[in-house]
Amino acid sequence: ILNVEQSPQSLHVQEGDSTNFTCSFPSSNFYALHWYRWETAKSPEALFVMTLNGDEKKKGRISATLNTKEGYSYLYIKGSQPEDSATYLCALNSGGGADGLTFGKGTHLIIQP
Amino acid sequence: SQTIHQWPATLVQPVGSPLSLECTVEGTSNPNLYWYRQAAGRGLQLLFYSIGIDQISSEVPQNLSASRPQDRQFILSSKKLLLSDSGFYLCAWSVGRGAYNEQFFGPGTRLTVL
Repeated sequence: ILNVEQSPQSLHVQEGDSTNFTCSFPSSNFYALHWYRWETAKSPEALFVMTLNGDEKKKGRISATLNTKEGYSYLYIKGSQPEDSATYLCALNSGGGADGLTFGKGTHLIIQP
Repeated sequence: SQTIHQWPATLVQPVGSPLSLECTVEGTSNPNLYWYRQAAGRGLQLLFYSIGIDQISSEVPQNLSASRPQDRQFILSSKKLLLSDSGFYLCAWSVGRGAYNEQFFGPGTRLTVL
């Protein structure tokens, strides 16, 4: 059973502040790493798919980095806004059947005005 | 454009009753289809995946089964529900294979077994 860990479990951030959180995974099983944003009452929305060690992806104020050798990824949010409030999920693709994903429990982010 | 539908949105069922959750995808052909479940306090767990009609693979032993009678239809079933089957069930689809294979999720079904 693969273990994908996310920390912290929840996070309160003041509007305008920047924040980051962590996803760790077994490096020996790495094929790709996905980040999703899951807002209440909506479907999980894909943010990034990352495969290369040292890769950095960016979408607006959100960015992510990847270290496949040590088995972690960071997600950064710059200048947090209330609409950033959501649960952020990371998921490991270990190259198994049909690229099924192993998810962490998520980081629940609350932006306080 | 592609869309994915799941129903029902919520369901409350007694222990021992049967279950049928349906997922359909529009706007794509021969998708890979997936069922995930989020139980209380846990992350999303892959239950089943399918790469084609009547081709189902199970990731974990459980009280549930899946079927794919048509290319874009994926059904999750149980003959007798257990309390531990409660959770949020998500269907997802993707196309092709590879590291950049992105999965797209449906709106989900919240199942409560009493």
